[in-house]
Formats: sequence, C-alpha cells, structure tokens
Amino acid sequence: EAQVTQNPRYLITVTGKKLTVTCSQNMNHEYMSWYRQDPGLGLRQIYYSMNVEVTDKGDVPEGYKVSRKEKRNFPLILESPSPNQTSLYFCASRPLGRGNQPQHFGDGTRLSIL
Amino acid sequence: GENVEQHPSTLSVQEGDSAVIKCTYSDSASNYFPWYKQELGKGPQLIIDIRSNVGEKKDQRIAVTLNKTAKHFSLHITETQPEDSAVYFCAASSMDSSYKLIFGSGTRLLVRP
Repeated sequence: EAQVTQNPRYLITVTGKKLTVTCSQNMNHEYMSWYRQDPGLGLRQIYYSMNVEVTDKGDVPEGYKVSRKEKRNFPLILESPSPNQTSLYFCASRPLGRGNQPQHFGDGTRLSIL
Repeated sequence: GENVEQHPSTLSVQEGDSAVIKCTYSDSASNYFPWYKQELGKGPQLIIDIRSNVGEKKDQRIAVTLNKTAKHFSLHITETQPEDSAVYFCAASSMDSSYKLIFGSGTRLLVRP
C-alpha cells in the first residue's frame, strides 16, 4: 500500500531535549515536505526537499533541521525544542515532473513541548 | 508571497443539503488548486483538484469551480452525508514557488443527520 509513515504519532517532552520525527514514503517520490498545523492557521511549510541531499527552507523553518540522505526518508529534527513548537506535524511527498501533482500526507505527529 | 483565504471557518448543514466552501488566492502565477479533507486523527487526503486551464471539475457529489480573473475557487458538496463531516482545506500552488502548497485556514464541516 502506498503510504507516508511518520513516527512517533504522539510525543510529550521537555524544553531543550533533542528529538527527531521520522518520515518514510514507499512511492519513490522525489519531493518531500514537512508542515505544521496550528488552529486557525492551516498548514504551513517548514522545510522541503526536491531530491536526495537537496533541502530548502519553507515558511517557518526556525528551530528545525532536516536531512535527506535517502530518497524514502526525510526526518525532522528539533535540536532544542521550545513550547512554541508544540503543534501537529505532517510529512508529505509527491512525484516531480509533469507539473503539479497531488501531495500525499502522513497521519501526523502530535508534539507537546513542556 | 502567496496568501490563501478560506471561508467559512465552520459550516453546519442538514444531511442532504449542499455545502459550499470558498477560497481566494493572491498570486496570479498559481496554477494548481487542490482540496483536502482531514478526518480526526488522520492526515489530509486529496479529494479533488483543479488546474488553471479548467473552470470546473466534478467527481460524483463533489465539484470545484475556478475563477482565475477573480482569483477564487470553491468546493461544492451536494447531497451531504454525515461521513462528509470533517475539516476541509483549500490550497494553491505554482511551479514558480517550487510547487509549495499554500493552505487556507480550514473549514470545519458538520453534517447533521
């Protein structure tokens, strides 16, 4: 089954304790992206990647890092989490080429930073 | 940069009635407009999309219309059913922006049985 898998689904942690949210897709998509969803703000892009070793900032990149060492994986790293990063996070992927194509989303990771 | 506004933020309809959600966008270079449905505990799922060379697209009870001149697009759901209850997001994207999706703020649709 074609899917985007995120782990963990839920995490409660404390300020300053480094954490990584993993994202994996099995559709051989070149493009991957991270979004955060906050009430009344929709989804905002944090970082995206057009292919292996190619990453770029989205609209709200501060406090986050990403890496793209393999095509299928795109982890989101919070080196020193703060309470304002408490949010619902989604990873997405899509193929490149032939213009715009739909993005496929994971089921989300709810992070609470105390 | 691109900005997408979505209205209403909440919508309650009786089962069987129609529901309409409207979005406006600011970037005239936007050429792709997907709609996503998000159910509780799930990620957004694409339900329909439209490209700028088309004015309307239908898929069973769902339709989307696009007015490029006015820069707005709408989602129409006919004969609503309780399982249509969810949060709906519109989005806009262009090739110029590296295919980044700019989302509206979402509409919570409640279909009353």
